[in-house]
Amino acid sequence: GAVVSQHPSWVICKSGTSVKIECRSLDFQATTMFWYRQFPKQSLMLMATSNEGSKATYEQGVEKDKFLINHASLTLSTLTVTSAHPEDSSFYICSARVNRGQGNQPQHFGDGTRLSIL
Amino acid sequence: GQNIDQPTEMTATEGAIVQINCTYQTSGFNGLFWYQQHAGEAPTFLSYNVLDGLEEKGRFSSFLSRSKGYSYLLLKELQMKDSASYLCAVRAGGSYIPTFGRGTSLIVHP
Repeated sequence: GAVVSQHPSWVICKSGTSVKIECRSLDFQATTMFWYRQFPKQSLMLMATSNEGSKATYEQGVEKDKFLINHASLTLSTLTVTSAHPEDSSFYICSARVNRGQGNQPQHFGDGTRLSIL
Repeated sequence: GQNIDQPTEMTATEGAIVQINCTYQTSGFNGLFWYQQHAGEAPTFLSYNVLDGLEEKGRFSSFLSRSKGYSYLLLKELQMKDSASYLCAVRAGGSYIPTFGRGTSLIVHP
């Protein structure tokens, strides 16, 4: 159980293009999902917390207008990288936590999206 | 903020035992996770510790000492497929969102 699906796996596009990444919880509901970015050999850096039915909470230094997050249902959150540039090239990973209890509930991660901007 | 420290890289021999350490400095500690991440893939959950002691799960065990701000992940009977990055993540300060360390890249060789 607790499967998170992320799509697409790979994106290669030209500078200036906007890219949408989807994150779905397949067998559970998640009122909260998380978006991370990971550069090679670096740690997972939390970008924002996506809240169903309300605005996302962005971490310090993450541009809200650059990284648009929409969490329209209990099983889907989307991250749109607007007007992407080469410096936005990275591995983007979403995760979700089962809405049951607290404490030891781990995050379940999607397979990630490798974004390459030419 | 939180300060999480792990070795950058470790190597070990197939069949051996390896211990990956994680030290942290934080206030309001509320749990520590270990994740495994193969290159180009998303992390997968390995273990969770919130109380002191050893949690054993098959070939993998995780230990926590809250007073020392210290945890380790112990991998026994190493297999080649265990070559991966191992991420220590700490939750603290009332938040349920953990902060990840940089990860330890483990290389298992024959």
